[in-house]
Amino acid sequence: EAGVTQFPSHSVIEKGQTVTLRCDPISGHDNLYWYRRVMGKEIKFLLHFVKESKQDESGMPNNRFLAERTGGTYSTLKVQPAELEDSGVYFCASSARQETNEKLFFGSGTQLSVL
Amino acid sequence: AQSVSQHNHHVILSEAASLELGCNYSYGGTVNLFWYVQYPGQHLQLLLKYFSGDPLVKGIKGFEAEFIKSKFSFNLRKPSVQWSDTAEYFCAVITLSGGYNKLIFGAGTRLAVHP
Repeated sequence: EAGVTQFPSHSVIEKGQTVTLRCDPISGHDNLYWYRRVMGKEIKFLLHFVKESKQDESGMPNNRFLAERTGGTYSTLKVQPAELEDSGVYFCASSARQETNEKLFFGSGTQLSVL
Repeated sequence: AQSVSQHNHHVILSEAASLELGCNYSYGGTVNLFWYVQYPGQHLQLLLKYFSGDPLVKGIKGFEAEFIKSKFSFNLRKPSVQWSDTAEYFCAVITLSGGYNKLIFGAGTRLAVHP
């Protein structure tokens, strides 16, 4: 069974540019989460989709970040325009049901560097 | 707001040494507690979890953790580490306050084990 996949694994962009990160959850998982880790700090929750709907987007830093999950399958996270402080590792995770959070499967992350 | 504190950011040990990584959380209600591990080049994976019952929890690869409610702690231990335990370890909490819950992570502890 394929796990959670994220693309790209690394992205280096200049300040002011746009970057789109993609996450493919495990097939059949309704719950999809985005997390971010800025270097040396904790892994912070960004948002949670249940199918195509945003259940909770309280962790999104500002309106430069836009997450979508059209059709309830893969999700994209767009940063436009990117700023230096957006650098970090962006993790995606998925689970079959929200109440069983222990079965959260993580992707390998996208390392974003904004120069 | 709920938070998770991991006291040691970097730990360096020799093989066969004993390990204890500290984790404290700030929430007075019912919690579910987790330790996740990320080995170099791999994705985050669950090491062990505590939901209820025996506060001493056994995980994979000889790890264990003890939930001490009075101290709001969930420290991770291993009697004798191996080189292959070199990884980053994250403590995480879900607070069961009813309604929607999400995973809150600590900043992580990077463990390096020297042969």
